[in-house]
Amino acid sequence: GAGVSQSPRYKVAKRGQDVALRCDPISGHVSLFWYQQALGQGPEFLTYFQNEAQLDKSGLPSDRFFAERPEGSVSTLKIQRTQQEDSAVYLCASSLGNRLTGTEAFFGQGTRLTVV
Amino acid sequence: AQSVAQPEDQVNVAEGNPLTVKCTYSVSGNPYLFWYVQYPNRGLQFLLKYITGDNLVKGSYGFEAEFNKSQTSFHLKKPSALVSDSALYFCAVRDPRGASKLTFGTGTRLQVTL
Repeated sequence: GAGVSQSPRYKVAKRGQDVALRCDPISGHVSLFWYQQALGQGPEFLTYFQNEAQLDKSGLPSDRFFAERPEGSVSTLKIQRTQQEDSAVYLCASSLGNRLTGTEAFFGQGTRLTVV
Repeated sequence: AQSVAQPEDQVNVAEGNPLTVKCTYSVSGNPYLFWYVQYPNRGLQFLLKYITGDNLVKGSYGFEAEFNKSQTSFHLKKPSALVSDSALYFCAVRDPRGASKLTFGTGTRLQVTL
């Protein structure tokens, strides 16, 4: 597709359940980002990949959060033992250049996670 | 550390009037600056960016922004607002010397009325 695709669009999880969120970036984009957006807030950085390498995971809130991009394309964000405070929209973005360039990031529509 | 401030939670403008959405930033070196717009239940859409060069940058849908280094500002402007411009606007900054991430402001809701 032409844009960043995320699935599922909506996910309801019971507290304690594990979830996996998928991101298909724009083809050929080197950089991939995950952000968390709470209601009424700006996106907060979670992690960054350059190709398959996870170069920055400083924003992951706990060791329950794990992300991977094994072949440098599709990425998965996994949250183990979900808690209510994990409820948010999870945004994926990709950009053509690496982290040293000024290329803009293109965002997917996000996955809205609700933990009940 | 890098940060962005958007001092206005909401901006109200009548259609046809000029609009300004304010943004100030803090970063150690020369910044990369971005504006994004978010419509309900949609992802963020890129509007424009400042990397280097001319302080006035033009972007999508008639929007422009002016980089002011002395005031550390990057205000978003449009000469004539449309009702369809009503949305949530986010300013973002990145330190090109090494930070991977974009740091976003808290957003400003723009309401354009007839």
